[in-house]
Amino acid sequence: QKEVEQDPGPLSVPEGAIVSLNCTYSNSAFQYFMWYRQYSRKGPELLMYTYSSGNKEDGRFTAQVDKSSKYISLFIRDSQPSDSATYLCAMNPTNAGKSTFGDGTTLTVKP
Amino acid sequence: DTEVTQTPKHLVMGMTNKKSLKCEQHMGHRAMYWYKQKAKKPPELMFVYSYEKLSINESVPSRFSPECPNSSLLNLHLHALQPEDSALYLCASSRSGDTDTQYFGPGTRLTVL
Repeated sequence: QKEVEQDPGPLSVPEGAIVSLNCTYSNSAFQYFMWYRQYSRKGPELLMYTYSSGNKEDGRFTAQVDKSSKYISLFIRDSQPSDSATYLCAMNPTNAGKSTFGDGTTLTVKP
Repeated sequence: DTEVTQTPKHLVMGMTNKKSLKCEQHMGHRAMYWYKQKAKKPPELMFVYSYEKLSINESVPSRFSPECPNSSLLNLHLHALQPEDSALYLCASSRSGDTDTQYFGPGTRLTVL
């Protein structure tokens, strides 16, 4: 079983829809949770960074962490065609430089 | 400057060639990383340098040789690669080798013929 499981997608939504991207994990040592956005043939770009449980909002993006359920989500409101990309969740335990990534979910937002 | 730069953007090499990938950051970060990413897969960690010392080597074949000449630069020397080594090679940096988030460069698209 993988340490991090990400909803595989692909996901296709109309412009303006609310998008929910999700990851579950098994390692209770994970404390830091990241979402990256990766456009085709580009490097991953850090989108959201959350420590421990709770919500964090940045514009149209909300990251949610539920450590009791070992479940994290990224919500995108009012989705735009420019949001079309692969979204990767990643997480770190404390005192370690190695991130564990999910396999990514490819999102297409249709105009 | 919040950018990690990588050169070259694209590289095509034969199995007998020797080439190097370069990565640079000027954010004062003290940890730098090499990842390999195949199509439709997440990045796979190869090496981590922390304070210019190799701290993690994820059992990478010796045909990949990392080098960290100083805190801003990271190289990956390539020799006798195989076609299955074709991938996007990503460099990243973070403030330290601890739990700080990593910032990725755009990658080098490597094709081995």
